[in-house]
Amino acid sequence: DAGITQSPRHKVTETGTPVTLRCHQTENHRYMYWYRQDPGHGLRLIHYSYGVKDTDKGEVSDGYSVSRSKTEDFLLTLESATSSQTSVYFCAISDSVVRSPPDTIYFGEGSWLTVV
Amino acid sequence: AQTVTQSQPEMSVQEAETVTLSCTYDTSESDYYLFWYKQPPSRQMILVIRQEAYKQQNATENRFSVNFQKAAKSFSLKISDSQLGDAAMYFCAYRKLRGSNYKLTFGKGTLLTVNP
Repeated sequence: DAGITQSPRHKVTETGTPVTLRCHQTENHRYMYWYRQDPGHGLRLIHYSYGVKDTDKGEVSDGYSVSRSKTEDFLLTLESATSSQTSVYFCAISDSVVRSPPDTIYFGEGSWLTVV
Repeated sequence: AQTVTQSQPEMSVQEAETVTLSCTYDTSESDYYLFWYKQPPSRQMILVIRQEAYKQQNATENRFSVNFQKAAKSFSLKISDSQLGDAAMYFCAYRKLRGSNYKLTFGKGTLLTVNP
């Protein structure tokens, strides 16, 4: 199994509070992604990183920010959580297709976030 | 932007029978990858099968096979001899061969029920 750890795995928070989810990898992969999964929507990309301090927005980035100060860590922050951000959040990692087969996208186990 | 459409929110199959899950996609690229992922109740994302667009031969992995129709932009998954353990959410996904930071674009998923 790929070395991806998400924390926390489960969290309940109140509306308006900040929340940070952490993704930690031990694979030294260049690319890291945050997805959210909601019923009827599949997995949608929030933000991604293509290197240390290099990040970009995905399709549902409003209300989220990210940071990557080290190769191994990719943080997702909800500055002021809302009920619409109740979801399951998945981190994924990948390396370039030049260096590894194209199916080597590894997913974390997910973080369940409930905003009440 | 690439889009992936799974038109069947739910499917059911009898144990030992065959079922086909549909997926269509939209892209202007000529080279890309397509994937089917399985997500059991544990929420773990498991790669089932992948197809490189430049390969005409349909991919096969044991009881799982695909029908890849590039011109029609169709990528269906056939599960033969269905087993109770095949019950899961199935996601079709697309990934560019180059660029786009290797992001995956997912369909909304098909929930497969296997009846004993």
